[in-house]
Amino acid sequence: DSGVTQTPKHLITATGQRVTLRCSPRSGDLSVYWYQQSLDQGLQFLIQYYNGEERAKGNILERFSAQQFPDLHSELNLSSLELGDSALYFCASSVGAGANYEQYFGPGTRLTVT
Amino acid sequence: GDSVTQMEGPVTLSEEAFLTINCTYTATGYPSLFWYVQYPGEGLQLLLKATKADDKGSNKGFEATYRKETTSFHLEKGSVQVSDSAVYFCALSDQGAQKLVFGQGTRLTINP
Repeated sequence: DSGVTQTPKHLITATGQRVTLRCSPRSGDLSVYWYQQSLDQGLQFLIQYYNGEERAKGNILERFSAQQFPDLHSELNLSSLELGDSALYFCASSVGAGANYEQYFGPGTRLTVT
Repeated sequence: GDSVTQMEGPVTLSEEAFLTINCTYTATGYPSLFWYVQYPGEGLQLLLKATKADDKGSNKGFEATYRKETTSFHLEKGSVQVSDSAVYFCALSDQGAQKLVFGQGTRLTINP
């Protein structure tokens, strides 16, 4: 158990809908990362927050957005969902924001868009 | 941009066999290198890391050496067990960036 929790574990929804994925980082970690794992694209970095502020952005679509709240939990919002958004979404957390801080991964949320 | 290339899988071995999973990278600057492991139904776990050239990361019998001259970070284990069956990801994190860049993953199956 990494100490990072993600809810829900599974999500099935229809095209065009909007969903929210939630992540609680390890106690004491200030940085939260979101990754998408799909069969065709592999594991890709989406976005990072550090202590409530956006720190880095990767291949995140405009239909997706995220935020980190004062209690440090984070939410990833996915809207106007398409079939191709079906994937495993991982959250990771670390103490700091630099490259050498170990990232601890949650168990993921499996999103299925039908 | 930065990228990581891993050997194609799946890889199937017998218990106690020697394991090598190749990983090469392309990056500007001096990245940190990582191996992560993903067991079925779970998130990724850091297996080992190396932060500079010639560093050797090791954990649970696995080893990998940061080779700058060949831009490689191959994962090795002398004697694999059935419990090592998982997907292994090589990754890098550039000093100036916050994110991890992953290879495509290698599925490893160990038969008793």
